[in-house]
Amino acid sequence: GEDVEQSLFLSVREGDSSVINCTYTDSSSTYLYWYKQEPGAGLQLLTYIFSNMDMKQDQRLTVLLNKKDKHLSLRIADTQTGDSAIYFCAEIYYNQGGKLIFGQGTELSVKP
Amino acid sequence: KAGVTQTPRYLIKTRGQQVTLSCSPISGHRSVSWYQQTPGQGLQFLFEYFSETQRNKGNFPGRFSGRQFSNSRSEMNVSTLELGDSALYLCASSPGQGGSEQYFGPGTRLTVT
Repeated sequence: GEDVEQSLFLSVREGDSSVINCTYTDSSSTYLYWYKQEPGAGLQLLTYIFSNMDMKQDQRLTVLLNKKDKHLSLRIADTQTGDSAIYFCAEIYYNQGGKLIFGQGTELSVKP
Repeated sequence: KAGVTQTPRYLIKTRGQQVTLSCSPISGHRSVSWYQQTPGQGLQFLFEYFSETQRNKGNFPGRFSGRQFSNSRSEMNVSTLELGDSALYLCASSPGQGGSEQYFGPGTRLTVT
């Protein structure tokens, strides 16, 4: 079935690391994504990982993929107040074209 | 390179009316997908177009339709609007079919009164 689960809220202090977690159910997923949405805005593509990779690092962002447990995480190092937003995990099934299945989103609150 | 553009950004319509939303993908991108975002249902897939053909359709009633033009621009239409159609409608652009990179526009905020 199509299901992506995320915790709804995360609060961290400025300068700390944030870890946002996501679980998905379909092992046929080819790509897994992290998007950021600020109030009143569209979705910003932060990073994505191909399903045959375990890890991807991009500046302050680190994505870890555990295919056995169908678990994806996004770590943001040195979190800043500008990182406060809703973060969405999404997966794509190649045999369904470009259809993205999204989680509910995790609201990240960064306190000074 | 310019990003994905969507027009209009905001729209207020009355129940029973119809509406057309427009999306211009990133230059060179041939795939356009549409999503509806609401507080209750989250982000839900509407449909995907590639080279003027609908490749995939989500679980929405027939009142929701779309098309893609030869220049890859896409429109979606909602007829006989209902209050529950109030949402943020997002368009995503991708270089190819089932592409790895999908970039979203700012969305069209539709309010149905």
